[in-house]
Amino acid sequence: EDQVTQSPEALRLQEGESSSLNCSYTVSGLRGLFWYRQDPGKGPEFLFTLYSAGEEKEKERLKATLTKKESFLHITAPKPEDSATYLCAVPRLSGGYNKLIFGAGTRLAVHP
Amino acid sequence: GAVVSQHPSRVICKSGTSVKIECRSLDFQATTMFWYRQFPKQSLMLMATSNEGSKATYEQGVEKDKFLINHASLTLSTLTVTSAHPEDSSFYICSASPGPRYNEQFFGPGTRLTVL
Repeated sequence: EDQVTQSPEALRLQEGESSSLNCSYTVSGLRGLFWYRQDPGKGPEFLFTLYSAGEEKEKERLKATLTKKESFLHITAPKPEDSATYLCAVPRLSGGYNKLIFGAGTRLAVHP
Repeated sequence: GAVVSQHPSRVICKSGTSVKIECRSLDFQATTMFWYRQFPKQSLMLMATSNEGSKATYEQGVEKDKFLINHASLTLSTLTVTSAHPEDSSFYICSASPGPRYNEQFFGPGTRLTVL
């Protein structure tokens, strides 16, 4: 069964303290892995798409990497405004549609 | 680009009434739209998938007669919660995609429904 697992569930960092979030997945035929950021009371904001093992993408203090079994979202020198829930998702072809399977998310809190 | 809007952002209604939520893709044609539901501190759960001009397909356990979906144009999908009850209170989020097999989905800002 296709599955996405994120860890840790919650992470508290001091401003400037770098860390990584993990997303492990089991899916038959990976057609991409997506990272989203979600602020409280808002919809997910698209961050990255990764398609193949070894691929990396960066945006400001965030870098996403992908292996054959998992993806990491590295946060370098985070700031309080990076506080949010980070979601990863993989598409599963079902009934002719690419439906997203989401992990439970990692709630990140960055304190000054 | 790839902006999706939802209206209203918040709605409070009495038990037994129906509520309509609109989802619009503002700068692209969305052949496919998805409706999700999210409970506090939980992830997004897919409720249904709609294609422009055809009937929506619902995920297992989602009552199609309670959650009516209409995808009348390439830029608009609506979700109507019929005869809403307090247990329907939740955060409803739509997403839009340029095609059924397109990988990326772009999400709206969500609608907070509270049923009294």
